Amino acid sequence: DIQMTQSPAAMSASVGDRVTITCRASQDISYFLAWFQRKPGKVPKRLIYSTYRLQSGVPSRFSGSGSGTEFTLTISSLQPEDFATYYCLQHSKFPFTFGGGTEVEIK
Amino acid sequence: EVQLVESGGGLVQPGGSLRLSCAASGFTFSDYYMDWVRQAPGKGLEWVGRSRNRANSYTTEYAASVKGRFTISRDDSKNSVYLQMSSLKTEDTAMYYCTTGPCGAGACSFDFWGQGSLVTVSS
Repeated sequence: DIQMTQSPAAMSASVGDRVTITCRASQDISYFLAWFQRKPGKVPKRLIYSTYRLQSGVPSRFSGSGSGTEFTLTISSLQPEDFATYYCLQHSKFPFTFGGGTEVEIK
Repeated sequence: EVQLVESGGGLVQPGGSLRLSCAASGFTFSDYYMDWVRQAPGKGLEWVGRSRNRANSYTTEYAASVKGRFTISRDDSKNSVYLQMSSLKTEDTAMYYCTTGPCGAGACSFDFWGQGSLVTVSS
C-alpha cells in the first residue's frame, strides 16, 4: 500500500498567515492527490483534487501543487473559518490512502 | 440536491456482523461510484472501499484492513449501497460515511457525504 506522510501533524497560526501543509507519498502517485478539510461535527469536505483542481465553491485562497511524491496545500491568508484538520488522499492506486492529518489551530 | 443517508450502525460484539446501508437521492445513482470512508475515535480518516458503477460492472476495491471481511454491494433499483461487515474487530469501531461524486480530471467520488453511521464493536 502507498503510505502518505503529512507534515506537520499540528500547527498554530494566526488569521492572515500563509499556511503550507505537505504530503509525501511512499511512491510515485503522479498528480492523483486530493485535500480535505474536516471540522468538528461536520463531514469531510473536499477542497482540491488531482493536485491543483479546486472544488467548486472553495475559496481561491486554497491552492495545491506538486507531483510524483511531494505535494503541498497552501492557504494564502488564513481565515477564522479555516481552523480545522486537513487530510491528503492519494487516489492513484488502490487501496486509496489518507495522510495522518494536520490540525491547524489558532495561535 | 444530492442526499446520502446512512443507517444500520450500532453496537456489535467482536466477531459479529453488521450491514450498513446508504440511501442516495438527487442524482442518477447507477452512474456513480460509491465509496465508504471511516473515522475511528481520535483517529484520522481511513478509506474503506469502493463500488464502481454499472458501466464498470459494479466492481469493488477494499482497504487491506477490511479485505476478506467487508463486502460492498449496491442495488441500483433502490438507489442504495451497502457495507456488509463480518468478523468485526474492536478496531473497526468508527463512524462510517458513504461518499460519492462525479468522475472528472482523474478523480471520482468524495464530493458528497452522508452524515455517517456509528459502529461500535465491543463486548
